[in-house]
Amino acid sequence: SAVISQKPSRDICQRGTSLTIQCQVDSQVTMMFWYRQQPGQSLTLIATANQGSEATYESGFVIDKFPISRPNLTFSTLTVSNMSPEDSSIYLCSVGISPSSYNEQFFGPGTRLTVL
Amino acid sequence: AQSVAQPEDQVNVAEGNPLTVKCTYSVSGNPYLFWYVQYPNRGLQFLLKYITGDNLVKGSYGFEAEFNKSQTSFHLKKPSALVSDSALYFCAVRAWRDRDDKIIFGKGTRLHILP
Repeated sequence: SAVISQKPSRDICQRGTSLTIQCQVDSQVTMMFWYRQQPGQSLTLIATANQGSEATYESGFVIDKFPISRPNLTFSTLTVSNMSPEDSSIYLCSVGISPSSYNEQFFGPGTRLTVL
Repeated sequence: AQSVAQPEDQVNVAEGNPLTVKCTYSVSGNPYLFWYVQYPNRGLQFLLKYITGDNLVKGSYGFEAEFNKSQTSFHLKKPSALVSDSALYFCAVRAWRDRDDKIIFGKGTRLHILP
């Protein structure tokens, strides 16, 4: 398994501003992912954070709105840019120990974002 | 399209009774199935997975799940529920096409264990 921490744990932000969420893992991992969990809904994959190259975004998510960095095998950041109230959600970082998703993922505690 | 469905938004069970949380899936090829649990104000925790082999999979906290290929189901079960099992449960399936390989989550089922 892996121990994953996220910062901040929660934040309240004003419309039009940006927030960067950090994800730190206690060991080197191949795969890192960012999910969004809107109130009362399931998890939606935003993107796969690739080390040394651009993130791979899912349909409906774009780099300008959700820029992602992955400078090494233990750390990634997700920025929520030009926020609106619709971005209020829990943002979750997860990691996969192996390159394939047929192994389980391990999740961080999440960042609860409220946009006013 | 590859998908997973959890037909119940909420399940209520009395403490000590057996519990079942339902999940059905639709995939092309062999299914890789997972259950996760989310306790209040915490991230998701992995419970168990089915990749191949025995249809009955055992996982954490006394949970197990039964893979049924003919019914395309992967229901989560526990013989005797505890109040501490109250949480949000997600079924998930590996979805892949071409080089796109990811996990799709169901909408979740909230489990209430009544003392």
